[in-house]
Amino acid sequence: GAVVSQHPSWVICKSGTSVKIECRSLDFQATTMFWYRQFPKQSLMLMATSNEGSKATYEQGVEKDKFLINHASLTLSTLTVTSAHPEDSSFYICSAQKLDRHTQYFGPGTRLTVL
Amino acid sequence: TQLLEQSPQFLSIQEGENLTVYCNSSSVFSSLQWYRQEPGEGPVLLVTVVTGGEVKKLKRLTFQFGDARKDSSLHITAAQPGDTGLYLCAGAEGGSEKLVFGKGTKLTVNP
Repeated sequence: GAVVSQHPSWVICKSGTSVKIECRSLDFQATTMFWYRQFPKQSLMLMATSNEGSKATYEQGVEKDKFLINHASLTLSTLTVTSAHPEDSSFYICSAQKLDRHTQYFGPGTRLTVL
Repeated sequence: TQLLEQSPQFLSIQEGENLTVYCNSSSVFSSLQWYRQEPGEGPVLLVTVVTGGEVKKLKRLTFQFGDARKDSSLHITAAQPGDTGLYLCAGAEGGSEKLVFGKGTKLTVNP
């Protein structure tokens, strides 16, 4: 199997606070994890690529100081949305890649609502 | 920037009908994945194809990777209401870990 979990599944926070989302590969090691954002009725938009033990690579237009990514182990990556604002409200999904590098397995997503 | 054109964008059919979803690009992919996503959930992997001309079957679903590895199709036979969902194709360019996603096909199968 290839199970990826995310925590929390949903979070509501006040504007200006920071929110941390965890992504774990439960039954395999993932040297690379990815963070996506998905707006309603749209496809997935890649935010950043996270490699274990190194700095994340961010896509164009994604603020690295706004979306902090840490990939401290082969099974855990975290995304912290700092000083969240209502426009950061979205569905955040992580994925983990097996060593064959062909396939990404996705987590169930985290619904973030910023009031 | 690579683009994956997915069509149709929306599809509403009756139970028992057949359908095909297409994914096309001008770029060559080292692999291509098909996912299905339910509302409020993450995409679930259906299949990965890596060889040009490859055909894979998953019960009533048939996936094909084009000979030139630029396009793919998903064919569903005798669709059922449980097949309802958003179908996404995603391709990986050779040497890259990143996936390029199509915009998705929202399928509704009516009983």
